[in-house]
Amino acid sequence: EDKVVQSPLSLVVHEGDTVTLNCSYEVTNFRSLLWYKQEKKAPTFLFMLTSSGIEKKSGRLSSILDKKELFSILNITATQTGDSAIYLCAATPYSGAGSYQLTFGKGTKLSVIP
Amino acid sequence: KAGVTQTPRYLIKTRGQQVTLSCSPISGHRSVSWYQQTPGQGLQFLFEYFSETQRNKGNFPGRFSGRQFSNSRSEMNVSTLELGDSALYLCASSLAWYNRTDTQYFGPGTRLTVL
Repeated sequence: EDKVVQSPLSLVVHEGDTVTLNCSYEVTNFRSLLWYKQEKKAPTFLFMLTSSGIEKKSGRLSSILDKKELFSILNITATQTGDSAIYLCAATPYSGAGSYQLTFGKGTKLSVIP
Repeated sequence: KAGVTQTPRYLIKTRGQQVTLSCSPISGHRSVSWYQQTPGQGLQFLFEYFSETQRNKGNFPGRFSGRQFSNSRSEMNVSTLELGDSALYLCASSLAWYNRTDTQYFGPGTRLTVL
């Protein structure tokens, strides 16, 4: 059974801190790993990672995948209160024709205090 | 470009009733997936539809079913509701399975409360 584990489950930091969120996965026939941010309802897409060792960046957020050790990290530098959210990691396998299934971790709840 | 839309946004039902939720994908997206999100279990995959065919199904009982129409809109149905079905139901759309670099975009969800 495919599995995604995120750590820590919750994190409280002060504005300006740098945080690292962890995601490990066990997925048969792994295809890609995705990060989402969920503030109130709809998770919003952050990154998709398919290749090992290539960092993806978007502003203060960056992420990297290690396919040998089966994990990914999401870094947020100079955190702001607007970064407070649940960060979800999900993995998806290659599968037969026409299937796209995400297995999610439980998420990391990040709280940024002023 | 409009995002994924879901209706209704909130729903209150009683045990034993049935419910139908609707999802309209992003224009041009042909794959629609459904997820259940609860505090205890997190986000769990229900099923995925592409070209009106169910392509994959998660580990949920047969009370959970869905369908997709020719315009890619999708509905999911839950029959004989149980208290444990109270959850946020999220729909996500993507272009197509054969685009290996696409991703899923989520709708705002339907909050279902079963009393």
